Amino acid sequence: DAGVTQSPTHLIKTRGQQVTLRCSPKSGHDTVSWYQQALGQGPQFIFQYYEEEERQRGNFPDRFSGHQFPNYSSELNVNALLLGDSALYLCASGPYSRENSYEQYFGPGTRLTVT
Amino acid sequence: QKEVEQNSGPLSVPEGAIASLNCTYSDRGSQSFFWYRQYSGKSPELIMSIYSNGDKEDGRFTAQLNKASQYVSLLIRDSQPSDSATYLCAVNRDSNSGYALNFGKGTSLLVTP
Repeated sequence: DAGVTQSPTHLIKTRGQQVTLRCSPKSGHDTVSWYQQALGQGPQFIFQYYEEEERQRGNFPDRFSGHQFPNYSSELNVNALLLGDSALYLCASGPYSRENSYEQYFGPGTRLTVT
Repeated sequence: QKEVEQNSGPLSVPEGAIASLNCTYSDRGSQSFFWYRQYSGKSPELIMSIYSNGDKEDGRFTAQLNKASQYVSLLIRDSQPSDSATYLCAVNRDSNSGYALNFGKGTSLLVTP
């Protein structure tokens, strides 16, 4: 049973460029959330997708956008990259339809470095 | 600003001892509480979830929740060197969504042989 997968593992971009990160949820999961984790900090919630719609959003600018596909996989896009966007980007998936259970599981993450 | 607070540590305990990790949160509407373990250079791994006041046990781990005091804790019994990691406390951001989480900065645990 494959867990949450993310690609690529590492990425180096230049300030001002655009980046797309990808995530496939754990089998049986239909909701995907994205988090940004800076060094020495806890993950910060970016947004959550369910049924191909953005359902919740954290305090991130519009430069951060996403998409969920019919097969539940998801993309995170970041435009006009800033040095401060350098971080570990984490995707988490969970089963939306299970009542009173909001357990979600993280993928291995994508380490983004902006130079 | 809804916050989750944890002591950053490091918390050092000898092998075989009980490690006690604590977390406080500011939003009284929070209903879902989680503990994640994160090894250096790795992603967070879910180890416990708790939704009701009281204790929840799973193997060597016990999560404790007190909503009146806005306090959640994690006890690790018979601590092993392999338990050395950063432990992240996470709380849902509002009552409408259990999936959008606020995380603390984590407590670093060191178990010494």
